[in-house]
Amino acid sequence: GNSVTQMEGPVTLSEEAFLTINCTYTATGYPSLFWYVQYPGEGLQLLLKATKADDKGSNKGFEATYRKETTSFHLEKGSVQVSDSAVYFCALETSYDKVIFGPGTSLSVIP
Amino acid sequence: SQTIHQWPATLVQPVGSPLSLECTVEGTSNPNLYWYRQAAGRGLQLLFYSVGIGQISSEVPQNLSASRPQDRQFILSSKKLLLSDSGFYLCAWSVTEETQYFGPGTRLLVL
Repeated sequence: GNSVTQMEGPVTLSEEAFLTINCTYTATGYPSLFWYVQYPGEGLQLLLKATKADDKGSNKGFEATYRKETTSFHLEKGSVQVSDSAVYFCALETSYDKVIFGPGTSLSVIP
Repeated sequence: SQTIHQWPATLVQPVGSPLSLECTVEGTSNPNLYWYRQAAGRGLQLLFYSVGIGQISSEVPQNLSASRPQDRQFILSSKKLLLSDSGFYLCAWSVTEETQYFGPGTRLLVL
């Protein structure tokens, strides 16, 4: 079946540190891959996406590359800020537009 | 532009009481609609999705039900709430083969 696995949190980093949140997936076919972010007290927002192998999604300094050979979509940012503190969800979209989410990774960035 | 509304934003209900959460979408026609639940310490779980009026598919067995009485209205209900129904409920919409967009969510606490 389809599934998404994320690294467990919480993750705590100092400001300007490098961030990697690992995400791997299992899926039939060629799903689209997403990173969603949930800031404290807010709803879920789309951060970035990639729809085919080797695509790189990017937004707000975050990047993720769709790696079909390793079935991965790791989220990276070169220099995190306190405002990046949030919960990050990796997700894949199957046929019929159903989205399957990973368990989420909580990130805290300290000054 | 499209917008999605959910209400109420927060709800505290006693065990055994009924539930009705409403979601409406503006600015689009015939969207696919979804209900997700985010339970504490766990990821997002798809509960129901709908591709049209009166068409509801359930992803997991539970004491919740969903209805779509109008094209842009999606209702999540329960006749008798359980403690385990506590969580954060998210409604989402999409046009076929496009990204899902999420509402602000309803935080439900069952006591």
